[in-house]
Amino acid sequence: AQSVTQLGSHVSVSEGALVLLRCNYSSSVPPYLFWYVQYPNQGLQLLLKYTTGATLVKGINGFEAEFKKSETSFHLTKPSAHMSDAAEYFCAVSEGTGRRALTFGSGTRLQVQP
Amino acid sequence: DSGVTQTPKHLITATGQRVTLRCSPRSGDLSVYWYQQSLDQGLQFLIQYYNGEERAKGNILERFSAQQFPDLHSELNLSSLELGDSALYFCASSVAVDRGRNTIYFGEGSWLTVV
Repeated sequence: AQSVTQLGSHVSVSEGALVLLRCNYSSSVPPYLFWYVQYPNQGLQLLLKYTTGATLVKGINGFEAEFKKSETSFHLTKPSAHMSDAAEYFCAVSEGTGRRALTFGSGTRLQVQP
Repeated sequence: DSGVTQTPKHLITATGQRVTLRCSPRSGDLSVYWYQQSLDQGLQFLIQYYNGEERAKGNILERFSAQQFPDLHSELNLSSLELGDSALYFCASSVAVDRGRNTIYFGEGSWLTVV
């Protein structure tokens, strides 16, 4: 069965600081992994996804994530936080070459302090 | 704007009542998904339809049902509502079922409050 654990329900960083949001997954087969962002009163927007190939994936708004099979992790990073990055971030997994429905983590709320 | 349209945006109803949430997928998308987001359960997958047929079922209660119509819009029916059904219900769509190749786009959700 597939599952996702996001460490830290709230993360606070200063503007310009590194953003690191942690995600660990469990999957019985090679997974497809996703990060979504949810701004207040909006739906979820895809930031980036890993399917196959290069393990470092670049997404929108300067975010990137690295798939590490040995650590079963897919952490999201951004070198320099911006105020507009304040939102809730969800990691998700779909195993079976993406044919199973997405299973989401519990989310991490990112605060960016001026 | 994701192109997925959900109505109504907000709904307040009483316990025991029945409501219908409507979703219009992005133009060309054949697959529709319903998710429930609540404070205690997080984002839970409810059900998926592909081109009118049920494709996958998640944590959907028996009091809930859904369908996808020939024009590909979908409705989620919630009956015998309980206080715990208060949540944000998302509809999402994709071209096909392969989540790897086909991005899933989410609507802005329908806020349901049961009082």
